[in-house]
Amino acid sequence: EAGVAQSPRYKIIEKRQSVAFWCNPISGHATLYWYQQILGQGPKLLIQFQNNGVVDDSQLPKDRFSAERLKGVDSTLKIQPAKLEDSAVYLCASRGTGELFFGEGSRLTVL
Amino acid sequence: GNSVTQMEGPVTLSEEAFLTINCTYTATGYPSLFWYVQYPGEGLQLLLKATKADDKGSNKGFEATYRKETTSFHLEKGSVQVSDSAVYFCALSRMDSSYKLIFGSGTRLLVRP
Repeated sequence: EAGVAQSPRYKIIEKRQSVAFWCNPISGHATLYWYQQILGQGPKLLIQFQNNGVVDDSQLPKDRFSAERLKGVDSTLKIQPAKLEDSAVYLCASRGTGELFFGEGSRLTVL
Repeated sequence: GNSVTQMEGPVTLSEEAFLTINCTYTATGYPSLFWYVQYPGEGLQLLLKATKADDKGSNKGFEATYRKETTSFHLEKGSVQVSDSAVYFCALSRMDSSYKLIFGSGTRLLVRP
């Protein structure tokens, strides 16, 4: 069974630039999550999708972050404009009826 | 609100030593509790879980018991190996349709030969 795929693995940008991360969940998983993991901290939920609908985006900084899951399969997380404090690993996870499965993450460095 | 507190690391042990990583939680209701592990360069993996009080989760020699009276879920292993070196995260989740994991800050374990 293929796991959760994320790209790019690494991205370096300057502040005020934009960046997008892509996630392809495990086939058939209806629920998709984006987490932000800042160095030295545990992952923090940014947004949760059920199929192509948003279940929870209460922790998403909506002035600069956006996410979509068109067609209820893969998802894109965008940051525009980026700030220094957005430097983190962005983790995508998906869930069918059991546990969450995480991708390897996309590491963002904002200079 | 719901939260998870873990002991700070790094925890440095010699091979075959006994491991304990403390985890306590604050939650409304009766959450499920989890330990996730993150090996260098890899994604988070579920290590073990417990869904109700007094349940013991176990996997790969690791164990943790859901203690409702002390709101704890400490991770233990009787004899660690160098390959256990990783970051360990304690987490909780309500077992409803939202199923959102709330993580602790993680504890890095270094096992020396």
